[in-house]
Amino acid sequence: GIQVEQSPPDLILQEGANSTLRCNFSDSVNNLQWFHQNPWGQLINLFYIPSGTKQNGRLSATTVATERYSLLYISSSQTTDSGVYFCAVLPNAGNNRKLIWGLGTSLAVNP
Amino acid sequence: SAVISQKPSRDICQRGTSLTIQCQVDSQVTMMFWYRQQPGQSLTLIATANQGSEATYESGFVIDKFPISRPNLTFSTLTVSNMSPEDSSIYLCSVEEYNAVGEQYFGPGTRLTVT
Repeated sequence: GIQVEQSPPDLILQEGANSTLRCNFSDSVNNLQWFHQNPWGQLINLFYIPSGTKQNGRLSATTVATERYSLLYISSSQTTDSGVYFCAVLPNAGNNRKLIWGLGTSLAVNP
Repeated sequence: SAVISQKPSRDICQRGTSLTIQCQVDSQVTMMFWYRQQPGQSLTLIATANQGSEATYESGFVIDKFPISRPNLTFSTLTVSNMSPEDSSIYLCSVEEYNAVGEQYFGPGTRLTVT
């Protein structure tokens, strides 16, 4: 089945720094979502981005479906950005609704 | 997007007991899912909750251990039965809306500790 790999696995930043998180997937997908899991365990939808580029405040994401990767950009990071960032994809196979998850990138932003 | 609530938000339970987690959505949704997230891990799909019929379980999860109900289009329950410390996890409900096929939104989760 499809494989989803996220990098880096861990990241430590100083407040104000910028970062890029990457998600590679091994086969074609119908959609791709980025989530932020805060320290309390809540999963927050960041982007639904099967292709193209989207921006929301300090965050933006780009998915290049033909090359099977997505990037999440965090600019001017804040301590509240800390947590785990997950990428999840829906494989382009039949009527399957099962998301395939990466292992996440754990981000710590220090003041 | 739909607003999803879960109850309880957290619980500490004795081994051998059972806990039922509720997931309530403020609008009708097509799909409801239950996930488990063990400490430090990614999410694992337990099952798809089907309205009016038996849930569809993923490999490694069985109905006797994780019975699921979905009596209507806005509500589902997951029971964790005969618990052991290995069941200590965050349990999350997610939904897919009619106008957003393939896009899932998550409830706040239930943090379960089994002693």
